[in-house]
Amino acid sequence: AQSVAQPEDQVNVAEGNPLTVKCTYSVSGNPYLFWYVQYPNRGLQFLLKYITGDNLVKGSYGFEAEFNKSQTSFHLKKPSALVSDSALYFCAVRAPAGSARQLTFGSGTQLTVLP
Amino acid sequence: GAVVSQHPSRVICKSGTSVKIECRSLDFQATTMFWYRQFPKQSLMLMATSNEGSKATYEQGVEKDKFLINHASLTLSTLTVTSAHPEDSSFYICSARSTSGAGDYGYTFGSGTRLTVV
Repeated sequence: AQSVAQPEDQVNVAEGNPLTVKCTYSVSGNPYLFWYVQYPNRGLQFLLKYITGDNLVKGSYGFEAEFNKSQTSFHLKKPSALVSDSALYFCAVRAPAGSARQLTFGSGTQLTVLP
Repeated sequence: GAVVSQHPSRVICKSGTSVKIECRSLDFQATTMFWYRQFPKQSLMLMATSNEGSKATYEQGVEKDKFLINHASLTLSTLTVTSAHPEDSSFYICSARSTSGAGDYGYTFGSGTRLTVV
């Protein structure tokens, strides 16, 4: 079975400072990894994904994530946080092609960027 | 880009009535639709997976007679909450997947439906 862990329920960071939202995963085979952001009472917006290739993935709104196979991690990062980045962030994993297609989500991390 | 339109965004209904939630893929064919339920400040829990023209596959613990899913066409899937009760109040989100890979390696989410049963 595939699973995702987001160890931090809440992350607070000052505007302009770098931010990191942590994610570790468990899946058989090479993972497909995703980050999504959710604003209140809205659906999920895609930020970035790792399927294959370069371990450093760049996504929307200045976010990036680094795939680390040995640590089974896919932490989300941004060099300089904005107040508007405050939202709920979800990491998700999917097993590779040939198996179940559904995404499994982490528990979410509430990011608050303080002005 | 790929867009999934989900309606209604918010609905309040009386206990015992049924509510239908629609998800439409606007510019791609959704061969698979996933329906999720989300409680406040919690993660998305997969309820069921449906493929166009087939019966939905429900996750363990999800009552298929209560949460009716129809995926009759490649652009429309519906979730009907039958005989709704206050404990069914939640945020429901659909996610469409296309085999062509449209939309973020195939997954595009609707904007969600806030269901309140009174």
